[in-house]
Amino acid sequence: KAGVTQTPRYLIKTRGQQVTLSCSPISGHRSVSWYQQTPGQGLQFLFEYFSETQRNKGNFPGRFSGRQFSNSRSEMNVSTLELGDSALYLCASSSGTGWAGELFFGEGSRLTVL
Amino acid sequence: GDSVTQMEGPVTLSEEAFLTINCTYTATGYPSLFWYVQYPGEGLQLLLKATKADDKGSNKGFEATYRKETTSFHLEKGSVQVSDSAVYFCALSDSSGGTSYGKLTFGQGTILTVHP
Repeated sequence: KAGVTQTPRYLIKTRGQQVTLSCSPISGHRSVSWYQQTPGQGLQFLFEYFSETQRNKGNFPGRFSGRQFSNSRSEMNVSTLELGDSALYLCASSSGTGWAGELFFGEGSRLTVL
Repeated sequence: GDSVTQMEGPVTLSEEAFLTINCTYTATGYPSLFWYVQYPGEGLQLLLKATKADDKGSNKGFEATYRKETTSFHLEKGSVQVSDSAVYFCALSDSSGGTSYGKLTFGQGTILTVHP
């Protein structure tokens, strides 16, 4: 069974640009969550999508947005990039029915903002 | 809000040594508790979990017991191997649904290095 796939794995952007990251969940999983991982703040929850609807959201500014498609694939977008947005962005999937806390993570997309 | 505190790292051990990584939590409800592991260059993987007080989670020789009275979930392994070198994260989830969907609250992570 294929795992969670994230693309691109690495990318470099400059301040003010925008970026879109993609995530394909495990087949059959309908929930996709996004996390930001930085050395200073650790792992922080961005948002969660289920059946194309955002069900939960963390404490990030509106520059961070996401969406989910009918095939459960998800994208997250960061607009007007800031230096502090440099991070590893992790996508995770789960079945979405109920919430038991078990997530299956991808390898992440490492974003560097110059 | 909910929070998780892990022991300061990094931790360096010799092969076959005993491992303890401390984890304490603060939560308003009755959370489920987890240990996730991140090997170099990989995403996080669930190592073990416990969903209620006094439950013991175990996997690959690692164990942790959900202690409600001390709000702790310490990770232990009797004999570590070089292949256990990784970053270990303690986490909790609120299982009440609603605003908890997809959200894990993580500790800062503990880097473990095991030398031959």
